[in-house]
Amino acid sequence: EDQVTQSPEALRLQEGESSSLNCSYTVSGLRGLFWYRQDPGKGPEFLFTLYSAGEEKEKERLKATLTKKESFLHITAPKPEDSATYLCAVLEEDDYKLSFGAGTTVTVRA
Amino acid sequence: GAGVSQSPSNKVTEKGKDVELRCDPISGHTALYWYRQSLGQGLEFLIYFQGNSAPDKSGLPSDRFSAERTGGSVSTLTIQRTQQEDSAVYLCASSLALGGAGYGYTFGSGTRLTVV
Repeated sequence: EDQVTQSPEALRLQEGESSSLNCSYTVSGLRGLFWYRQDPGKGPEFLFTLYSAGEEKEKERLKATLTKKESFLHITAPKPEDSATYLCAVLEEDDYKLSFGAGTTVTVRA
Repeated sequence: GAGVSQSPSNKVTEKGKDVELRCDPISGHTALYWYRQSLGQGLEFLIYFQGNSAPDKSGLPSDRFSAERTGGSVSTLTIQRTQQEDSAVYLCASSLALGGAGYGYTFGSGTRLTVV
């Protein structure tokens, strides 16, 4: 059973059209949930870490939220430069390696 | 260096040949990880190193895969007798602490391996 499931697989947005990405997870104990951005040909770039339900983090047009079963990445008024694949990963208690979802590829058209 | 450096950036090899992929982590980062990313797939954990402790090799897909980390710094991932299913992007990451709590991992740009 997959620990981390991301939806949708792909998202096409018009510039300025806000939307949300979902990351659902199943772990026995969550130590942290991570969001990364990956551009083509590059390695993932760290965005946020969330530790407990109810926590929120913001960076420019991105806002990440966390519940006990899922996390959302909200993109407000996106711009073409927000086009990328967004990866979610979880770190379980007593573990040291991140488990990643397959990602959501976001394309923002001008 | 300022970031995680991987070499080569691209590697094309013939089926059955051995390949070595190199990772130079951020100075001072004690933890180092290797992941594999296949087209349309999530990142697949391969192995991690923490200081002088024995590595966690639980993600290595077969005994054709091995990795070492010399002097707590540079790491080399070796794939012997490459197969076409080994074609993927191999990503290296490092972190200050095992698990990357806080800032997570810092990834390199990866090595794109193509086995023909």
